[in-house]
Amino acid sequence: DTGVSQNPRHKITKRGQNVTFRCDPISEHNRLYWYRQTLGQGPEFLTYFQNEAQLEKSRLLSDRFSAERPKGSFSTLEIQRTEQGDSAMYLCASSRGHMDEQYFGPGTRLTVT
Amino acid sequence: DAKTTQPTSMDCAEGRAANLPCNHSTISGNEYVYWYRQIHSQGPQYIIHGLKNNETNEMASLIITEDRKSSTLILPHATLRDTAVYYCIVMIYNQGGKLIFGQGTELSVKP
Repeated sequence: DTGVSQNPRHKITKRGQNVTFRCDPISEHNRLYWYRQTLGQGPEFLTYFQNEAQLEKSRLLSDRFSAERPKGSFSTLEIQRTEQGDSAMYLCASSRGHMDEQYFGPGTRLTVT
Repeated sequence: DAKTTQPTSMDCAEGRAANLPCNHSTISGNEYVYWYRQIHSQGPQYIIHGLKNNETNEMASLIITEDRKSSTLILPHATLRDTAVYYCIVMIYNQGGKLIFGQGTELSVKP
């Protein structure tokens, strides 16, 4: 059990550019969640997967955001045409089942200049 | 999901018990109470959860009132490493497992 990993840990990009983040969950965890956290606030739910199926997306997830989990293992979160308001910490978590504890990764900190 | 109310901040002396309250007066019968904490610059960490019975694990104890309208997380012997933001979350069974975080309680453990 190596824990949840996220790459990159930090990303600085210019407004209008596209960025992609990767999350590698704990192996054999069926559930994978994405959250976003801005300074001084608690994390906000974005979306989650059960294996490769994306089962729910928050209204926070605009059309510029897309997430995939193609083989039910790692997941990617892409943001197109980034805006300054996208600057945040993007957290990934995984769990065995929907009521089991979620294990969080260290996050990817995005700064849009 | 039921709304939770927590104090914004609390202090605790090192070695003493830290008692963190949470109010969830609108909790329904199929909602569980979860506690997570977030140490600065890290992802949140699961602590404990329960439905109506008190629970204990190696990290903490969870005391839920009989009417389930409030709960208390107890760290029996707080250390400096317990300084973190503690989140109380209620979650409906079979609603996907998404966590809805509030503002949490910033616990400062002081020497």
